[in-house]
Amino acid sequence: EAQVTQNPRYLITVTGKKLTVTCSQNMNHEYMSWYRQDPGLGLRQIYYSMNVEVTDKGDVPEGYKVSRKEKRNFPLILESPSPNQTSLYFCASSTAPLTNYGYTFGSGTRLTVV
Amino acid sequence: DAKTTQPPSMDCAEGRAANLPCNHSTISGNEYVYWYRQIHSQGPQYIIHGLKNNETNEMASLIITEDRKSSTLILPHATLRDTAVYYCIVIRLPGNQFYFGTGTSLTVIP
Repeated sequence: EAQVTQNPRYLITVTGKKLTVTCSQNMNHEYMSWYRQDPGLGLRQIYYSMNVEVTDKGDVPEGYKVSRKEKRNFPLILESPSPNQTSLYFCASSTAPLTNYGYTFGSGTRLTVV
Repeated sequence: DAKTTQPPSMDCAEGRAANLPCNHSTISGNEYVYWYRQIHSQGPQYIIHGLKNNETNEMASLIITEDRKSSTLILPHATLRDTAVYYCIVIRLPGNQFYFGTGTSLTVIP
């Protein structure tokens, strides 16, 4: 089944403790992206990647890092998480350039930083 | 990319058609209209998209006005499972990024 898989689904951590949220897709998509979703603010893009070893900042990149060493994986790294990074995170992938069906989204990761 | 404006919330009776409007008055000629929905914090799900002609698939219909400044997503027979937040987005193809607004929260009432 074609899908985007994020892990973990839920995570509670403490301020300053480095964490990684993994994202993997099995559709051979070139393009991958991370979003965060907060009440009243909709989905906001954190980082995106057009292909292996190519990454770019989205609208809210501060406090996050990403890497794209393989086509299928696009992990989101929080080096020193803070409570304002408590949010619902989505990974998405698509062909590049974007064609008819747009993005396929993962099921989300709910992160709480205390 | 053009911005979109949607009502924050709507109700619809079960079994009736749900008509969700979207304004995109600054849309340019090569920008497409996409609709996604998000059910209770799940990942957004593609519904339909179009350029200038009306479109229909197994999920919904998309009506785009002749001047392309607005569109309407129609769910012909809404069910309780259609309760979700619906996002209208415009994007130029080929393009890189979707910008999601805050969408319309549709509640289907029994």
